[in-house]
Amino acid sequence: DTAVSQTPKYLVTQMGNDKSIKCEQNLGHDTMYWYKQDSKKFLKIMFSYNNKELIINETVPNRFSPKSPDKAHLNLHINSLELGDSAVYFCASSQGVPYGRRTDTQYFGPGTRLTVL
Amino acid sequence: AQTVTQSQPEMSVQEAETVTLSCTYDTSESDYYLFWYKQPPSRQMILVIRQEAYKQQNATENRFSVNFQKAAKSFSLKISDSQLGDAAMYFCAYRSATFQGAQKLVFGQGTRLTINP
Repeated sequence: DTAVSQTPKYLVTQMGNDKSIKCEQNLGHDTMYWYKQDSKKFLKIMFSYNNKELIINETVPNRFSPKSPDKAHLNLHINSLELGDSAVYFCASSQGVPYGRRTDTQYFGPGTRLTVL
Repeated sequence: AQTVTQSQPEMSVQEAETVTLSCTYDTSESDYYLFWYKQPPSRQMILVIRQEAYKQQNATENRFSVNFQKAAKSFSLKISDSQLGDAAMYFCAYRSATFQGAQKLVFGQGTRLTINP
């Protein structure tokens, strides 16, 4: 059974287009994340949602808009795609960190390789 | 802000031998978590091992163990009896124990491990 799934796995599109990446987790987790892995393999947080509420927006251009319709889903919509948006985008989820809770491990989806031409 | 540094962009080891991957981090916090993730060519991010900073005992998972030196802010990964399937990019990651900081992993640059048959 897939724990964290993303669609599509590959996305090739033209500059200026709008595209979406979908993420779903069946782990019953409260917190979901989007990370970006650039061409040098560096991974950096983009967004974090806890119970559908945005917690972290890590200086990401407002062309990127995450949407969480429910706890199990966190989608990423990107407007006016640019060449520099080409990367692998990972969705992840974790049980959540309520105040005082200490343990938490993030589980990653398979990634979506976005190529902007 | 916390930073994680992996000073070895590439490492190689003979099959069945032992290899150690280095990781150092910078933080002013006393409570946090450290992780090693593996990313094989399939692109999937796989958790290898986790260490809680408040625990003095080094974590172990089968052939994988860590050397956690809190004062030196060092967190190295030792792989014993290396196998061909261990070939991958390995990422060291830090997570704060505070609520806000816990919403993200801070990654190092990665170390590409090659296993020679």
